Amino acid sequence: DADVTQTPRNRITKTGKRIMLECSQTKGHDRMYWYRQDPGLGLRLIYYSFDVKDINKGEISDGYSVSRQAQAKFSLSLESAIPNQTALYFCATSKTGSSYEQYFGPGTRLTVT
Amino acid sequence: RKEVEQDPGPFNVPEGATVAFNCTYSNSASQSFFWYRQDCRKEPKLLMSVYSSGNEDGRFTAQLNRASQYISLLIRDSKLSDSATYLCVVNTDSSNTGKLIFGQGTTLQVKP
Repeated sequence: DADVTQTPRNRITKTGKRIMLECSQTKGHDRMYWYRQDPGLGLRLIYYSFDVKDINKGEISDGYSVSRQAQAKFSLSLESAIPNQTALYFCATSKTGSSYEQYFGPGTRLTVT
Repeated sequence: RKEVEQDPGPFNVPEGATVAFNCTYSNSASQSFFWYRQDCRKEPKLLMSVYSSGNEDGRFTAQLNRASQYISLLIRDSKLSDSATYLCVVNTDSSNTGKLIFGQGTTLQVKP
C-alpha cells in the first residue's frame, strides 16, 4: 500500500481552466510539501505546511494555492492554468524532527495546452 | 548561478565499475546535505545523508568538503539496479523547516 498517494496521476487541461491536485498520506506525518519538477531544473518547492493551520509559500508559489484540509490531506490548486505550469508535480511528507527525510508521492504529470 | 549544481551526465559505466559524482553548492551557510535517488518516472527517495566526517552505507560513500563547498557520492561495484538519477540536496535553513534545494540530478546508466 502506498503511504503517499496523489490524484490524478496524469492530467491534460486547457489554458485558463482551474485544476486541483490532491495528496493524501497514511504515514501520520505532520509536514507536507508540494514540489514541481521540470527537466534541467530539479525539484522546486511551491508550498509547505507544518500542520492544518500553518501554510507557507515556497520558492515558486505564484499562480498556485493550497489547502490543508486535514493532517493527512494537502491539495494544490491552479486557479487559471497556463502552459508553463506543465510539469511533474510531487507531494511529499515528513515528520517534525526529521524534516529532511521526505517521503514523496508517485507524482502527477500535468499538461496545460 | 544555480544554488546546487550537478553534472547531468549521463554517466555510462559497466557493471562492477566505481563511479563518483560531485555536486557544488553556492550558499556557504548551508546546514545539511543529502543524496536522493530517483528512478525513471518515479518519485525521489532518500539515499543517504552526508555528514562532515563522511559516511558509508554498503557500496555507497558520501563526503562533504565545506571549504570547497562540494559534496560527493561514490558508488563501488556498480550494479544494474543502480541505474537512476542521483539528486544532490542541500538545506540552507537553520530553523528545521524542511525546505530543501534540489540539484537537477546526475543520471547513471550501468551497462551489463
